[in-house]
Amino acid sequence: DADVTQTPRNRITKTGKRIMLECSQTKGHDRMYWYRQDPGLGLRLIYYSFDVKDINKGEISDGYSVSRQAQAKFSLSLESAIPNQTALYFCATSDHSRGNDYTFGSGTRLTVV
Amino acid sequence: DQQVKQNSPSLSVQEGRISILNCDYTNSMFDYFLWYKKYPAEGPTFLISISSIKDKNEDGRFTVFLNKSAKHLSLHIVPSQPGDSAVYFCAASDYPSGNTPLVFGKGTRLSVIA
Repeated sequence: DADVTQTPRNRITKTGKRIMLECSQTKGHDRMYWYRQDPGLGLRLIYYSFDVKDINKGEISDGYSVSRQAQAKFSLSLESAIPNQTALYFCATSDHSRGNDYTFGSGTRLTVV
Repeated sequence: DQQVKQNSPSLSVQEGRISILNCDYTNSMFDYFLWYKKYPAEGPTFLISISSIKDKNEDGRFTVFLNKSAKHLSLHIVPSQPGDSAVYFCAASDYPSGNTPLVFGKGTRLSVIA
């Protein structure tokens, strides 16, 4: 089983719909992140959480919200999806005491039509 | 304002030759640098890192060089293999304080030609 699991792997949704992307981890890491990847723009940070009670906005948080339900679970919501949110979304985890190396999930490819 | 810059979107290298991927940063608070490798349909995976107290770190075919005065780092792959074809992301951190998440560059797509 993967250390960081993202569901769904692929999703097509309509403009205006609410959608949730889920992330769970078995690494026991305290920190979790959501990034999106767009061609030519690299990995951009949406939200991050350093522990269960901590939620922080990243570079591009507008139009997104998150929930850290437990140390192992971090979900990303698009309240009202729009076409320019079409992207590849990655969840990542890290353990601050071990060098800040991130472990990424396999990604969710989201298409908003 | 980009804090981590990878100015070459793509690089093509012959198998067996050296691949050199470059990365520049602007934030003087960064003191820990990482390279990630990404294949299509997979998440990025950690490749190699270097702390600012070093100027070189080597792991097999992969070596990262850090020039703090120039705020520049590079990843050398010797010899390059077709399986190295992937997108490489440079990332920077203020570890050990770790108060901010990793900042990633836009990536360089490496193609190793057999």
